Amino acid sequence: SQQGEEDPQALSIQEGENATMNCSYKTSINNLQWYRQNSGRGLVHLILIRSNEREKHSGRLRVTLDTSKKSSSLLITASRAADTASYFCATARMDTGRRALTFGSGTRLQVQP
Amino acid sequence: DTAVSQTPKYLVTQMGNDKSIKCEQNLGHDTMYWYKQDSKKFLKIMFSYNNKELIINETVPNRFSPKSPDKAHLNLHINSLELGDSAVYFCASSLYGGEQFFGPGTRLTVL
Repeated sequence: SQQGEEDPQALSIQEGENATMNCSYKTSINNLQWYRQNSGRGLVHLILIRSNEREKHSGRLRVTLDTSKKSSSLLITASRAADTASYFCATARMDTGRRALTFGSGTRLQVQP
Repeated sequence: DTAVSQTPKYLVTQMGNDKSIKCEQNLGHDTMYWYKQDSKKFLKIMFSYNNKELIINETVPNRFSPKSPDKAHLNLHINSLELGDSAVYFCASSLYGGEQFFGPGTRLTVL
């Protein structure tokens, strides 16, 4: 099964509104990361939050992590049309020496101008 | 300057053929990865190499063989291509498990 499920699967908002995406995961993690993927492009790293952190900010992005609920949220404030993309959470597991990330299914965000 | 590059960008081939995808990173990273993204956009790790040594092989058919000639390169060779191999393949790199930098992807279509 997918480690890292995102909710909602798709989100459509107006420019200027805030967008919130949620991610749930199953195993203990070392860190959780959020990536953006524009259509037909590779993934771009947005932000990394470690398991001992609860909240992190980067520009218009705010990420929270609740390890007791095994969930995270990504908030994009004052959205712009250029934020239109798919957003993925990815977890790095505690037993990773493996170092690979396990990705969620993604949220497709559409920001209407 | 491209940080993680992949070639080719598009690959269309017949079932049964053998093909290779090349990846190079100029970031000085110690770990490189291959991911597969299917038509539903699910991304799944296939292989991971650390300093030219294979550290992850995620139940990928042995028709797929990664090769890392040096720390900056990780190539993927696929034998006897099948229809189900059609996907976008992404190469990525990182420094000791930190944020990963992705290449632009190779869209493989098997006819």
